[in-house]
Amino acid sequence: EAEVAQSPRYKITEKSQAVAFWCDPISGHATLYWYRQILGQGPELLVQFQDESVVDDSQLPKDRFSAERLKGVDSTLKIQPAELGDSAMYLCASSLTHGEGEETQYFGPGTRLLVL
Amino acid sequence: GDSVTQMEGPVTLSEEAFLTINCTYTATGYPSLFWYVQYPGEGLQLLLKATKADDKGSNKGFEATYRKETTSFHLEKGSVQVSDSAVYFCALGGNTGGFKTIFGAGTRLFVKA
Repeated sequence: EAEVAQSPRYKITEKSQAVAFWCDPISGHATLYWYRQILGQGPELLVQFQDESVVDDSQLPKDRFSAERLKGVDSTLKIQPAELGDSAMYLCASSLTHGEGEETQYFGPGTRLLVL
Repeated sequence: GDSVTQMEGPVTLSEEAFLTINCTYTATGYPSLFWYVQYPGEGLQLLLKATKADDKGSNKGFEATYRKETTSFHLEKGSVQVSDSAVYFCALGGNTGGFKTIFGAGTRLFVKA
């Protein structure tokens, strides 16, 4: 069964350092999502791609976070510099099509980030 | 803006007990509604969904009915098992506001043998 891949699974870094997370969606899925999940809360959408284009990044802290999906396949989320409050689980998901809300999202296992 | 509110956990039940996890939503328009489940150490996976009022989603013995009049999508199961122990997230996905999926805070369920 096809799965969304993410790496690394765990990352410990010091504040002010740069970190990067990678996501490989299910083959053929045009829409890719990055979520942040703080412990005890539900996932919050950071950025959504349709192919290589950003369709929603309204919740992405653009002064320190960036995301790209250059060829419309895999994606990288970067934080520079990391802050203590960035400690969270970063989830990647993909779906076949954009919009409508009915389309099922498939989630990867996540990257757990700890900033010291 | 759109939002989802679900009952706080943890919920602790004995095996074979009846489960209800309440979920209510606020939205302009008519979103689709979802329940996702997160088992320990795993990512989220879709449990069930409903795309319009009065639809019932069901899977693995779980059910939820889209109630427009009460803006609710409560999750139920008649007889829980230890393997159902997980965190359950209610979510809405929209035909409004750019099709953003909004999750509730999650409800942790513990089932004792």
